[in-house]
Amino acid sequence: EDQVTQSPEALRLQEGESSSLNCSYTVSGLRGLFWYRQDPGKGPEFLFTLYSAGEEKEKERLKATLTKKESFLHITAPKPEDSATYLCAVNNYGQNFVFGPGTRLSVLP
Amino acid sequence: DVKVTQSSRYLVKRTGEKVFLECVQDMDHENMFWYRQDPGLGLRLIYFSYDVKMKEKGDIPEGYSVSREKKERFSLILESASTNQTSMYLCASSSGINYGYTFGSGTRLTVV
Repeated sequence: EDQVTQSPEALRLQEGESSSLNCSYTVSGLRGLFWYRQDPGKGPEFLFTLYSAGEEKEKERLKATLTKKESFLHITAPKPEDSATYLCAVNNYGQNFVFGPGTRLSVLP
Repeated sequence: DVKVTQSSRYLVKRTGEKVFLECVQDMDHENMFWYRQDPGLGLRLIYFSYDVKMKEKGDIPEGYSVSREKKERFSLILESASTNQTSMYLCASSSGINYGYTFGSGTRLTVV
C-alpha cells in the first residue's frame, strides 16, 4: 500500500531561521511527487512537481529536492507569510494521489 | 484567474438529511475530485471523475455519491448525513497528473 509520512508534525521558526521539512514515501512506482501549501480555512495550493531522484525545484524562498525514498522542502530565511501547512503527495501512475498529513509551519517575527 | 468554486464555505445539517455539495471549475479540466480533510488523517479521496457522467470510487466512498452531468460541475451527495461525516470537504480539478490539482476553498460541514 502506498504511504506518505511527513515530519515534523509542526515546526516553529524565527524569521530568517532556515530549516527543512521532510516527506518520506513508499510507493509501488513513483510517477511524481507534489508539494502543496495550505493556509488556514483554504484549499491547498500547488507548489512543485518532482519526477526523478536528484531533481530540484525552486520558488522564492522554497526549494524542493527528491531522492528515491524522500523529498525535502528547504525554506531559506523564512518570513511570517511563509506560515502555512505544507503537504506532499505522491502519484503512482494511477489517476489520483496519496497525501501526507502535512507539516504545520509557523514563522515568528 | 482560473478557479474551482465550492458553493458553500460553511454548512450545518441535521443527522439524516440529504446534503448536496456543489463544485464548479472554469478551466475546462476533465478530471475532478472530492476529498475530505480531517486532523491527523490528511486528505482522503472520496470519489473522482474523468469525464461527464463517469465516476470512480476513491478510498472512502461509503455514505457518499456523486454526480457529473456537465464537465464543469461535480457534485458530492451525502445520502443520509451522519455525525462522522463532519469534516472539511475539498473539491479539486486537474488537466492531467503532471499538473497537480487546483483546489477549491473547501466546505466545512458540521452534522448535528
